[in-house]
Amino acid sequence: DAGVIQSPRHEVTEMGQEVTLRCKPISGHNSLFWYRQTMMRGLELLIYFNNNVPIDDSGMPEDRFSAKMPNASFSTLKIQPSEPRDSAVYFCASSFFSGTNTGELFFGEGSRLTVL
Amino acid sequence: AQSVTQLDSHVSVSEGTPVLLRCNYSSSYSPSLFWYVQHPNKGLQLLLKYTSAATLVKGINGFEAEFKKSETSFHLTKPSAHMSDAAEYFCVVSDRNGGATNKLIFGTGTLLAVQP
Repeated sequence: DAGVIQSPRHEVTEMGQEVTLRCKPISGHNSLFWYRQTMMRGLELLIYFNNNVPIDDSGMPEDRFSAKMPNASFSTLKIQPSEPRDSAVYFCASSFFSGTNTGELFFGEGSRLTVL
Repeated sequence: AQSVTQLDSHVSVSEGTPVLLRCNYSSSYSPSLFWYVQHPNKGLQLLLKYTSAATLVKGINGFEAEFKKSETSFHLTKPSAHMSDAAEYFCVVSDRNGGATNKLIFGTGTLLAVQP
């Protein structure tokens, strides 16, 4: 298996522009997570989906952030408009949740976003 | 609410000497606990997990952790450090609230440096 695939790996954009990050989870996994990592705040959970349905989006910073999962093999995280404080590494992770045990999270290699 | 506290933000050891990374947890329920490792510019990878079976858990790359309920601890150890162990290590607890969940709570991380 190719693992969790994220794109782009690096993105540099200017303040005010729209940014779309993409994620392809591992085939067969039913849960998908978006995390943000910065030096100041560490690793933060933004949102997660079970069976393509958003379960907890309490970590989404504000309305400028939105996430979708139209099907089991694809998810996007969109920032519009972007701001310099959004600069971070964004990780996507997937797992298989059986409903009884916490499954292992498999992480992608991250999308490093720089907003100028 | 469930939480983890990593007691050291940085740990430095010499190659060939033991590694100890400390983690204390807080949980109202029998917790699921994990250690993840992140190498530079990479995603996180599962090292090991505890889910109420044996209290001494063995993971990859010679790491192990012991669940001690009386001390609410889940410290990570390795008998002999290798240069390739230099990375950031995260202690993680499952965010249970009486039921199964696949939402994880990450500690703030411990950066392990290995000196030659």
